[in-house]
Amino acid sequence: LAKTTQPISMDSYEGQEVNITCSHNNIATNDYITWYQQFPSQGPRFIIQGYKTKVTNEVASLFIPADRKSSTLSLPRVSLSDTAVYYCLVGDPSGYSTLTFGKGTMLLVSP
Amino acid sequence: EAGVAQSPRYKIIEKRQSVAFWCNPISGHATLYWYQQILGQGPKLLIQFQNNGVVDDSQLPKDRFSAERLKGVDSTLKIQPAKLEDSAVYLCASRYNRGTNEKLFFGSGTQLSVL
Repeated sequence: LAKTTQPISMDSYEGQEVNITCSHNNIATNDYITWYQQFPSQGPRFIIQGYKTKVTNEVASLFIPADRKSSTLSLPRVSLSDTAVYYCLVGDPSGYSTLTFGKGTMLLVSP
Repeated sequence: EAGVAQSPRYKIIEKRQSVAFWCNPISGHATLYWYQQILGQGPKLLIQFQNNGVVDDSQLPKDRFSAERLKGVDSTLKIQPAKLEDSAVYLCASRYNRGTNEKLFFGSGTQLSVL
């Protein structure tokens, strides 16, 4: 299983762009990178998933370099409601992969 | 589309008592997970089912925890007897997995307090 490393916490202000980087040095060929968001008293919620280069949806962008040993979740113009814990997961979606959560990154957005 | 349903939402018990949690995954999701989340930590996988078979239960404390998924739909997780360190949120998730698009859908969890 590919282990992931993320910053424990990050601070930002409303309207700024936030980039959270995740390291996964031993990612396997078939592994995809997935990010989840968790608010207090709720289960994690899927944000975005990618394999290489760049993926963008209505919520975020995911940048993955050619060596795939890291990935960066980019949140454009954050608001107070983006305050949450963000988890990076690595796994093979084609098999019965066991999805392991790390400690995540606590993002605090201030006015 | 209905989400993953869990009950109860909260449970308070005394140590050495037993407790059970229930989960109803999203219709058609073959894979079901139970996670334990202790305050301040990420979710820890307890058990993973594929239909009604166990795929991974390597981190399930089998001397006190048990889980079943009869008929491959609903699932129950039981703790007997409970210990103080079992106080946590128990999350159920089911997986949407078609080809290379994998998503986990989580319920809101059951918050367990063991006194």
